Amino acid sequence: GQQVMQIPQYQHVQEGEDFTTYCNSSTTLSNIQWYKQRPGGHPVFLIQLVKSGEVKKQKRLTFQFGEAKKNSSLHITATQTTDVGTYFCAGPFTSGTYKYIFGTGTRLKVLA
Amino acid sequence: GAGVSQSPSNKVTEKGKDVELRCDPISGHTALYWYRQSLGQGLEFLIYFQGNSAPDKSGLPSDRFSAERTGGSVSTLTIQRTQQEDSAVYLCASSHRGTAEPSSYNSPLHFGNGTRLTVT
Repeated sequence: GQQVMQIPQYQHVQEGEDFTTYCNSSTTLSNIQWYKQRPGGHPVFLIQLVKSGEVKKQKRLTFQFGEAKKNSSLHITATQTTDVGTYFCAGPFTSGTYKYIFGTGTRLKVLA
Repeated sequence: GAGVSQSPSNKVTEKGKDVELRCDPISGHTALYWYRQSLGQGLEFLIYFQGNSAPDKSGLPSDRFSAERTGGSVSTLTIQRTQQEDSAVYLCASSHRGTAEPSSYNSPLHFGNGTRLTVT
């Protein structure tokens, strides 16, 4: 099936280090959503970006939507062990639909 | 409030048998999705229902897979003649709005806890 690439696939960081995951699409997106899935859990919505160049912050998390609306990033400052999980971007990668396709995900492990 | 409910939570079946997975979305949510997640992998889109419109079945991997949504609410995903490669967690999600509004805020997807299917 259709997939959207996220990089890196895995990331191990020491607690306190920063972390960034990138989401790339070949098509322009009307919006993009980010989800977090804890080990053994289900994806939980974090945030949505709609505007070109939009930047949103949630405490230590910073989300950005590219100017061309084809890529997005999630940056976590000073990671904590509670940040462990897999982060997915998701968007209507088929133009004009509400069919949400999820990125391949980035699995974050935080070492105490 | 009640979230998305999926049943069973676990299902073990023998190769070749049929299985039915159930999803009860959040009341009032018009859009319903099915995804499949293999161990340690991402979410593979299977099918999407939006209100009374014809479902988007473009993600179904084979004709052994089918899904229906009765009365715009409960959905059942059926896998016929199961194969070992069907083993995965099947996740259902619902959202409040499903119409394409390219420049508007779209409601987030709310996921159930999934059904873990094991085909032996």
